[in-house]
Amino acid sequence: ETGVTQTPRHLVMGMTNKKSLKCEQHLGHNAMYWYKQSAKKPLELMFVYSLEERVENNSVPSRFSPECPNSSHLFLHLHTLQPEDSALYLCASSQDWGSSSEKLFFGSGTQLSVL
Amino acid sequence: DQQVKQNSPSLSVQEGRISILNCDYTNSMFDYFLWYKKYPAEGPTFLISISSIKDKNEDGRFTVFLNKSAKHLSLHIVPSQPGDSAVYFCAASLTLYNTDKLIFGTGTRLQVFP
Repeated sequence: ETGVTQTPRHLVMGMTNKKSLKCEQHLGHNAMYWYKQSAKKPLELMFVYSLEERVENNSVPSRFSPECPNSSHLFLHLHTLQPEDSALYLCASSQDWGSSSEKLFFGSGTQLSVL
Repeated sequence: DQQVKQNSPSLSVQEGRISILNCDYTNSMFDYFLWYKKYPAEGPTFLISISSIKDKNEDGRFTVFLNKSAKHLSLHIVPSQPGDSAVYFCAASLTLYNTDKLIFGTGTRLQVFP
């Protein structure tokens, strides 16, 4: 069983819907991440939170809104998405943020389809 | 422009043989490299890593080789087993001003057949 749990596993939404992706880590880590994986593209870092503060925002459109209420939980709020936002959204955590050797622990992802 | 490239989208190897997965990078400032393995319907899991000060790191059946002059690294799996069938992602890390960025390749799908 993974130490990083993501829900839901699959999500289909219309462009006018509002939905949220949830991530929970049970590893006692201090950093959490959202990644996007589109078909035939590399994983793209979207957001990083370290000790519940956002430390990285890679020019992600405002229709994606992260929230980190505590060090164990991370949300990605979605609204007015576009079909090109359909992808696998992966949550990850690491012990700390800022070291090049930091290992990431990933959840199983949410497969999102925007119609 | 992709900084980390895995030019082979797929690889098929017979059980017991060696699997060699390749990865090229463009940024000579990368100082740490990692391989992740991903099964269907699961997230990637860390497999093995190597620092830029080394040229080889071995862990059981898995060995990663780094050739800095060629900006190339490879993952060797020997002997290959059917359970190794997965997608393998190469990733490179850049530590700059205390901000690390992990850059991933597009992955290589390995299939090990009996």
